[in-house]
Amino acid sequence: GENVEQHPSTLSVQEGDSAVIKCTYSDSASNYFPWYKQELGKRPQLIIDIRSNVGEKKDQRIAVTLNKTAKHFSLHITETQPEDSAVYFCAASHVRAQKLVFGQGTRLTINP
Amino acid sequence: SAVISQKPSRDICQRGTSLTIQCQVDSQVTMMFWYRQQPGQSLTLIATANQGSEATYESGFVIDKFPISRPNLTFSTLTVSNMSPEDSSIYLCSVDKAFFGQGTRLTVV
Repeated sequence: GENVEQHPSTLSVQEGDSAVIKCTYSDSASNYFPWYKQELGKRPQLIIDIRSNVGEKKDQRIAVTLNKTAKHFSLHITETQPEDSAVYFCAASHVRAQKLVFGQGTRLTINP
Repeated sequence: SAVISQKPSRDICQRGTSLTIQCQVDSQVTMMFWYRQQPGQSLTLIATANQGSEATYESGFVIDKFPISRPNLTFSTLTVSNMSPEDSSIYLCSVDKAFFGQGTRLTVV
């Protein structure tokens, strides 16, 4: 089955700097890659996703890149703000299967 | 979009008892997913609940421990049976890969 590895487990950056979180997946049949933000005590929130027919997707300060050959994808947050502090999870699935396999999570801290 | 109401939001239960968690979706969905999130950990899929058929369980999870009902396209329940302290966790339902219930924080004492 699918296995998703996520790095780093913790990340601390200065406000205004960029943050990058990386994930690798094992199943070449996976073709949908979402990212979630989970604030303390709250439910996960989908922030961006990418399908395997696209190499990059951007939404304001957030972007995701996908390298199908290497089976890895990354989340990029630019101009970080204190409210970006949270745990971020990557995941992978086959579009039709619908079930998600999550990475281990990255605790991002933005230092003022 | 979908709005999911999950309850209870939290509970403290005695070991050996059972707790049923409910999720109500404001639209009809084919599949509902139940996840467990242990403290400080990632989400692990317990099972997929399809209306009109038996739930599909992931490796390490069994129906006797986590029976699931899916009586219609907007509702599902997950029961955590014969609980032990190791079952203390957050349980979440989800639909469409994008929407989660608010979670049930379960503490077993």
